[in-house]
Amino acid sequence: QQPVQSPQAVILREGEDAVINCSSSKALYSVHWYRQKHGEAPVFLMILLKGGEQKGHDKISASFNEKKQQSSLYLTASQLSYSGTYFCGTERRAGNMLTFGGGTRLMVKP
Amino acid sequence: EAQVTQNPRYLITVTGKKLTVTCSQNMNHEYMSWYRQDPGLGLRQIYYSMNVEVTDKGDVPEGYKVSRKEKRNFPLILESPSPNQTSLYFCASSSAWRGGYGYTFGSGTRLTVV
Repeated sequence: QQPVQSPQAVILREGEDAVINCSSSKALYSVHWYRQKHGEAPVFLMILLKGGEQKGHDKISASFNEKKQQSSLYLTASQLSYSGTYFCGTERRAGNMLTFGGGTRLMVKP
Repeated sequence: EAQVTQNPRYLITVTGKKLTVTCSQNMNHEYMSWYRQDPGLGLRQIYYSMNVEVTDKGDVPEGYKVSRKEKRNFPLILESPSPNQTSLYFCASSSAWRGGYGYTFGSGTRLTVV
């Protein structure tokens, strides 16, 4: 079952923050986050395993609330290079198929 | 360079003419998957494979076949393509170890069936 992402689209000015949410109705083993720029392949950002951890690198971080089966991606002090479509992907168990949400289109303006 | 290589990048074909899209990875990954991407529908999984000779259907397997005879290769076969299979296709691979690494995607194959 496809995870639900929100919002569907967001427009930011450089330096502003954004949060993208991903929720599932099923128990999850892992949540992945990817960014796709127009005309390119999705690029892996980070993975969170069940256990309620939080991860991050640079100004992009993510959390996974195992009890709620929800993950959030946090983009702080956004840069122009952050523009693109962000997808969360969920696995219900190790080695299970990775199912993607519908995507969140992020546009960062100068 | 670690990568997933898909071929061809672009393909225009006619209805009913069998075709194969190749996918190869050089990272010794166990998991491989095929996705199609259509406007407004996101990434939908066609087939996935956990290892050699182990494949399973994804969400939209109708009209497609796959095989995994070698660890590095995972070709996608359209036996009788139809116009509703016009799409952007991605192959992806991943290690079975979930210690911080997700899927690496190929550059994509844009298929048009007329």
